[in-house]
Amino acid sequence: AQSVSQHNHHVILSEAASLELGCNYSYGGTVNLFWYVQYPGQHLQLLLKYFSGDPLVKGIKGFEAEFIKSKFSFNLRKPSVQWSDTAEYFCAVNAWGGSYIPTFGRGTSLIVHP
Amino acid sequence: EAGVTQFPSHSVIEKGQTVTLRCDPISGHDNLYWYRRVMGKEIKFLLHFVKESKQDESGMPNNRFLAERTGGTYSTLKVQPAELEDSGVYFCASSQVAGGHNEQFFGPGTRLTVL
Repeated sequence: AQSVSQHNHHVILSEAASLELGCNYSYGGTVNLFWYVQYPGQHLQLLLKYFSGDPLVKGIKGFEAEFIKSKFSFNLRKPSVQWSDTAEYFCAVNAWGGSYIPTFGRGTSLIVHP
Repeated sequence: EAGVTQFPSHSVIEKGQTVTLRCDPISGHDNLYWYRRVMGKEIKFLLHFVKESKQDESGMPNNRFLAERTGGTYSTLKVQPAELEDSGVYFCASSQVAGGHNEQFFGPGTRLTVL
């Protein structure tokens, strides 16, 4: 069974700072990778996803993530955060050929100070 | 187009009582999923419906939890009797088809507190 580890549970940044949220997974086979975001009072929504091809994935709102297969990682980045990026971020993985039910990490709470 | 809706948004009950959560998926979505997040922990899969059939219920914690999807439209998740450890946020999601390439759309969640 796969598992997902998000190393930073709480991150506090000032506006314009750069962001990198770590995500590592454990699974030996082919995976699909996702980052979800939940803004305060809103639904969980998909930020970006990786299925195949270019390991650098661009998402909405200036976010990107890089899949490094050798490191089993899918870290989320944004060069300059805004106050509106304050949210909780979840990394998720599902396995090819399995049930395609995603396994989620514990989430990272990001607070951006204006 | 309306998104996934869940009712109620919050529920506070006492241990031993019964609570029923409801999820209305996006119209036309055959796949409906239930997840739960206990405070500060992972979002964990509970079960998956395809239309009215349970495709996978491997994540259901125990027999105090009963999920139904009569008619293949909305779904209910009943907890009877509720225990303290059932507290958490219960999310519902739906997708048009199953599979890793298909995005699941999530509802806002129901926050359940068992006292």
